[in-house]
Amino acid sequence: GAVVSQHPSWVICKSGTSVKIECRSLDFQATTMFWYRQFPKQSLMLMATSNEGSKATYEQGVEKDKFLINHASLTLSTLTVTSAHPEDSSFYICSAFYGLDQETQYFGPGTRLLVL
Amino acid sequence: AQSVTQLGSHVSVSEGALVLLRCNYSSSVPPYLFWYVQYPNQGLQLLLKYTSAATLVKGINGFEAEFKKSETSFHLTKPSAHMSDAAEYFCAVSRGYSSASKIIFGSGTRLSIRP
Repeated sequence: GAVVSQHPSWVICKSGTSVKIECRSLDFQATTMFWYRQFPKQSLMLMATSNEGSKATYEQGVEKDKFLINHASLTLSTLTVTSAHPEDSSFYICSAFYGLDQETQYFGPGTRLLVL
Repeated sequence: AQSVTQLGSHVSVSEGALVLLRCNYSSSVPPYLFWYVQYPNQGLQLLLKYTSAATLVKGINGFEAEFKKSETSFHLTKPSAHMSDAAEYFCAVSRGYSSASKIIFGSGTRLSIRP
């Protein structure tokens, strides 16, 4: 099956710093990737749709200047949390469509961010 | 607009008992429906999906779900629970006909298994 990886799996940073999270599709190309955030004991909330070679599409209420998304290649999308604050602490998960199966999203293992 | 409602934020069953997790959806177009499982501190794993083919869908780990249009439901079942089934389960809906289709997740149901 499709495998999506994320790096790092967890990160702790100081308030005011920027953190980059990578999402990679392993052995397949992903023209579209999605970024979600999940607060403890809550569901996943879509943050943005990442399109290879073009600007990301952000959901309403998500600050595009704070959550920078770059989809520079068909196997890599990055999410940069700029000037992170404690309220940005969350579990960030990416997903991608796999090959001809454009019906199902395959999810990465997630990145836990803790901002002190 | 599409939405998903999962009835019961927490379900507890005995090992060996029937598992039933409830999901109702709302969609103005024929929906694609999914069940995902999430183990602690992990991403989501697809259990099964409905994409307008057979209404009874069989997934991994012995789970299955039945699409009932008249009831707008897509409940997840497993005949006999195992301890390893303890996890968070999410029902989700999408339009599915476009590679850019968004998935809308339900609020999740935490399944606990009693020895």
